[in-house]
Amino acid sequence: AQKVTQAQTEISVVEKEDVTLDCVYETRDTTYYLFWYKQPPSGELVFLIRRNSFDEQNEISGRYSWNFQKSTSSFNFTITASQVVDSAVYFCALSEASGGSYIPTFGRGTSLIVHP
Amino acid sequence: DSGVTQTPKHLITATGQRVTLRCSPRSGDLSVYWYQQSLDQGLQFLIQYYNGEERAKGNILERFSAQQFPDLHSELNLSSLELGDSALYFCASSPQRNEQFFGPGTRLTVL
Repeated sequence: AQKVTQAQTEISVVEKEDVTLDCVYETRDTTYYLFWYKQPPSGELVFLIRRNSFDEQNEISGRYSWNFQKSTSSFNFTITASQVVDSAVYFCALSEASGGSYIPTFGRGTSLIVHP
Repeated sequence: DSGVTQTPKHLITATGQRVTLRCSPRSGDLSVYWYQQSLDQGLQFLIQYYNGEERAKGNILERFSAQQFPDLHSELNLSSLELGDSALYFCASSPQRNEQFFGPGTRLTVL
């Protein structure tokens, strides 16, 4: 069965600090997808990124970067030079290809608080 | 704006009542998913519909049911409501096996 662990429940940083949110996953499938979503205080869930299991290239999008390492089953998310607007709950998710439904399992989320 | 719409935004009702939550997916997306988010359970998958047919079921109670209509909008019906059903209910849509785009959610409060 698939499982996603976000061990950091809450992280508090001061603006301009770099911060890394950890995500460790478990799956028996060789084909799977990993996602990160952001849930700001307003409540909506915002899609950030999707990676498939065959693409271990790291990705950078502005101040956001993602490090996918199959060897450690991790898909970590780094925010560089954090800003107050980055304050949100961040969810990591995993969906497996087997069964065909690709239903994601979400971690419990990491609450990031960025202080001015 | 994800393109997924949900109504109502807030709903307050009493125990024992029945409510209907509505979702319109992004244009072109055939899959609709329903999730429940509560403080103690996190984000829980309830049910998925694809082009009008039920595709997958998660932790959905028997008191809850859903359907997807020919125009692809979906409704989640919650009946015999209990205090513990108070939560944020999300609908998401996706272009098949890809990332899901979530609506703004319906916050249900059962008093």
